[in-house]
Amino acid sequence: DIQMTQSPSSLSASVGDRVTITCRASEGISNYLAWFQHKPGKAPRSLIYAASSLQSGVPSKFSGSGSGTDFTLTISSLQPEDFATYFCQQYKTFPVTFGQGTKLEIK
Amino acid sequence: QVQLQESGPGLVKPSETLSLTCTVSGGSISRYYWSWNRQPAGKRLESIGRIYTTGNTNYNPSLKSRVSMSIDTSKNLFSLNLTSVTAADTAVYYCARARPGDAFDSWGQGTLVTVSS
Repeated sequence: DIQMTQSPSSLSASVGDRVTITCRASEGISNYLAWFQHKPGKAPRSLIYAASSLQSGVPSKFSGSGSGTDFTLTISSLQPEDFATYFCQQYKTFPVTFGQGTKLEIK
Repeated sequence: QVQLQESGPGLVKPSETLSLTCTVSGGSISRYYWSWNRQPAGKRLESIGRIYTTGNTNYNPSLKSRVSMSIDTSKNLFSLNLTSVTAADTAVYYCARARPGDAFDSWGQGTLVTVSS
């Protein structure tokens, strides 16, 4: 299985900050990489697919980049509703695999 | 806007079978892969498997001997059976949707299943 390594595991930031989360695949996955936002008790929300494409309805403050093995999710101008857990997922090969998640907390 | 909702027992005894259903509303069940994923407390998400609307399935090799999935397109739902469960199967179970070759675009909110006597 392709291993996904996400960093950092947790991140403390302030409202208005810009943050970046990284995800590394154990082998090349082209651009078959998605990012999700997850809040406790809620359904995960799809943010980014194909490494850099924004899902419909997701604000442009979220952006993704990368290809091959290294990927980033950037969130600009953090608002209170953005504090959540973010995780990446590769879907190049089955079984799909996930990063361990990054918990974004308010400083 | 499609919605997915998991349902099933929250408590299963060791060695018994875990059975969950995901009901799809607000959209067609056709031409999508319908997946089950799970997340034990403090661990990352794990893929269990997926079923296409034709009934074709793919199971994670790590669970393949114990997993089966089915789909009922007339009722817009799909199901998971996991046999011979142990405490290691305790997790939040999520259903999710994806087009072939695409990422998940919709998830259920998850249901906690505890394996305990």
